[in-house]
Amino acid sequence: QITLKESGPTLVKPTQTLTLTCTFSGFSLRTSGVGVAWIRQPPGKAPEWLALIYWDDNRRYSPSLKSRVTITKDTSKKQVVLTMTNVDPVDTGTYYCAHSRFIVPSGMAAFDDWGQGTLVTVSS
Amino acid sequence: EIVLTQSPGTLSLSPGEGATLSCRASQSVFSSYLAWYQQKPGQAPRLLIYGASTRATGIPDRFSGSGSGTDFILTISRLEPEDFAVYYCQQYGSLPGTFGQGTRLDIK
Repeated sequence: QITLKESGPTLVKPTQTLTLTCTFSGFSLRTSGVGVAWIRQPPGKAPEWLALIYWDDNRRYSPSLKSRVTITKDTSKKQVVLTMTNVDPVDTGTYYCAHSRFIVPSGMAAFDDWGQGTLVTVSS
Repeated sequence: EIVLTQSPGTLSLSPGEGATLSCRASQSVFSSYLAWYQQKPGQAPRLLIYGASTRATGIPDRFSGSGSGTDFILTISRLEPEDFAVYYCQQYGSLPGTFGQGTRLDIK
């Protein structure tokens, strides 16, 4: 059974750096074809894909956030970390990590298992 | 970036009825790499369909997906009470992967 759980601060001040950790079980990020993504969802709005890291350590980022976001993995700890710099109130939302085994030639994926999400509020 | 437009915005139906949800892309979705998700309040999205028409593990056969190119459909053949939720489409054929704005399926 695959599980993912997000952790990190619930409140961050504008201009600060946000660091979120996804701790997973039930799969290995050493397995070919597997990836973990970060996806966020502002209150009442649609999800937005942010970043994806693959089993071979390749990474893809949303162009709109590429300069502010970094995704890394610690395979032995079974964790994936998202760092977002210079946060703004528009970054407020629920942040999800998600697993995929459906990575396609474009480098994107459909996401078959999601964490419960963590609500992050950016406010002074 | 591919923009996905879902219609209708809200659909009000009764249990037992059938539902048809539409997702239109601003340009062709490569290889029909389109997924559908269901989201209930306070929960994460749940994958229903990938590759436009393949049901994900454990998804009942009353859910079906079809389409190609720029036009995709999610059909729910006989609505159960637990099907009333928000539905999103997502294309993953090109970067960045993008989501539609959602269709809310309400109980009439």
